Amino acid sequence: AQSVAQPEDQVNVAEGNPLTVKCTYSVSGNPYLFWYVQYPNRGLQFLLKYITGDNLVKGSYGFEAEFNKSQTSFHLKKPSALVSDSALYFCAVRVQSNDYKLSFGAGTTVTVRA
Amino acid sequence: GAVVSQHPSRVICKSGTSVKIECRSLDFQATTMFWYRQFPKKSLMLMATSNEGSKATYEQGVEKDKFLINHASLTLSTLTVTSAHPEDSSFYICSASLGSYTEAFFGQGTRLTVV
Repeated sequence: AQSVAQPEDQVNVAEGNPLTVKCTYSVSGNPYLFWYVQYPNRGLQFLLKYITGDNLVKGSYGFEAEFNKSQTSFHLKKPSALVSDSALYFCAVRVQSNDYKLSFGAGTTVTVRA
Repeated sequence: GAVVSQHPSRVICKSGTSVKIECRSLDFQATTMFWYRQFPKKSLMLMATSNEGSKATYEQGVEKDKFLINHASLTLSTLTVTSAHPEDSSFYICSASLGSYTEAFFGQGTRLTVV
């Protein structure tokens, strides 16, 4: 079984401050981890992924995430948040298999105030 | 990245009618597509896995006779909500992947409102 937890329902930060969105996972196998962002009434947009290799992954719009195997975490970070980063963020995990199925976290609403 | 197109983006229908939602992979072939349902400010609930040329695999609790899925070609999957009722009103999203090592690509979503 595989699952993802996003412990924070909401994150509020001021523009220009660092942004962190937390994600922990539970899998029986090697995890493939993903972050997506969703704007109102839109589908999900891919931000970044960890498959293998460097634990620090850089993605779109200045976001990055660090894979921490010992803590089973994959937190999303941005050094300096923008008001336009306000959106719903999802962490997802997939275990190596043939079914391509993703398990999503509950989502974290990020609000960046000007 | 690859593009998944979903249509329509918004539909309003009367109770008792059926609505078809299309999901197309525009620049790649997708043997597998996924259909999700999302409630306001909530996570995505996987409804079913759409398999090209075979029957869809439904998640527990999803009525297969209510939510008909057809995946007749490598670039098109359709979800038909049959005999729609107001409680079927929701945001429906499809996705497809190029492989287990790659990210999933999502359609724009369909806002269904049943009146």
